[in-house]
Amino acid sequence: QQPVQSPQAVILREGEDAVINCSSSKALYSVHWYRQKHGEAPVFLMILLKGGEQKGHEKISASFNEKKQQSSLYLTASQLSYSGTYFCGTGGGNNRKLIWGLGTSLAVNP
Amino acid sequence: DGGITQSPKYLFRKEGQNVTLSCEQNLNHDAMYWYRQDPGQGLRLIYYSQIVNDFQKGDIAEGYSVSREKKESFPLTVTSAQKNPTAFYLCASSRQGVGNEQFFGPGTRLTVL
Repeated sequence: QQPVQSPQAVILREGEDAVINCSSSKALYSVHWYRQKHGEAPVFLMILLKGGEQKGHEKISASFNEKKQQSSLYLTASQLSYSGTYFCGTGGGNNRKLIWGLGTSLAVNP
Repeated sequence: DGGITQSPKYLFRKEGQNVTLSCEQNLNHDAMYWYRQDPGQGLRLIYYSQIVNDFQKGDIAEGYSVSREKKESFPLTVTSAQKNPTAFYLCASSRQGVGNEQFFGPGTRLTVL
C-alpha cells in the first residue's frame, strides 16, 4: 500500500517552519525521506528505523510513530534551498523494496 | 569520486524500437534498482537486484527487461511491449539491509515519438 503524504503542497516564506507527514496502512520497519529538485535525482535526507534508530543530515529532524505507522519531517527556519518535492519511502522488515508516496511540493519564497 | 551514473541524460526513440538505458555504480553496492517517474507521481519500482545474476520484478515490470552480469552495472531495456514508455527513469543503488539509503543516478529522460 502506497504511503499517504500530507500536505500535497506548501508555500513558505524564508525562515518559516513546515511539517510534512507520511502515513501508512501497513506496519513499518523503516521510513526514508528524500528531496528532489525538478529534473534532478532525489537526494537522501533521513532514514528512521523501528526501534528508534535514525540516520541522516544534522540539520534535518524527523519522527517515527510506530504505533500510528506515521513519520513526520520537520523543516525549521526554511531556506530558499529547501524548495523541492519531498518523498517518503516506506519499507517492511523482510522486504528490501521501498514503496514511495506521491510527494509534497515545497516552495520557499524570499 | 564514488557515484552512480546514467547515460544518456536525454533519449529519443521511435515507437516500436527497443532501447537500453545504462546504469553504472562504483560504490561497491550489492543492491540496484530501476524506477520510473511520471509528472506529479512518486517513484514506481520496475526491477531490483540484490546480487549479481539475480533480479526481481517490481510493481511495473511489464514491457521492461534487465540484466545483472556485473556488480557495478544494471542496464534496463525498454521494449516495444511497454505501452507508455515516455518517462523519467532513475537508477539507484544501496548497501544490503533495510537501514541503508539509496543513492540515485541523475536520471534518463526517455521520449518515444
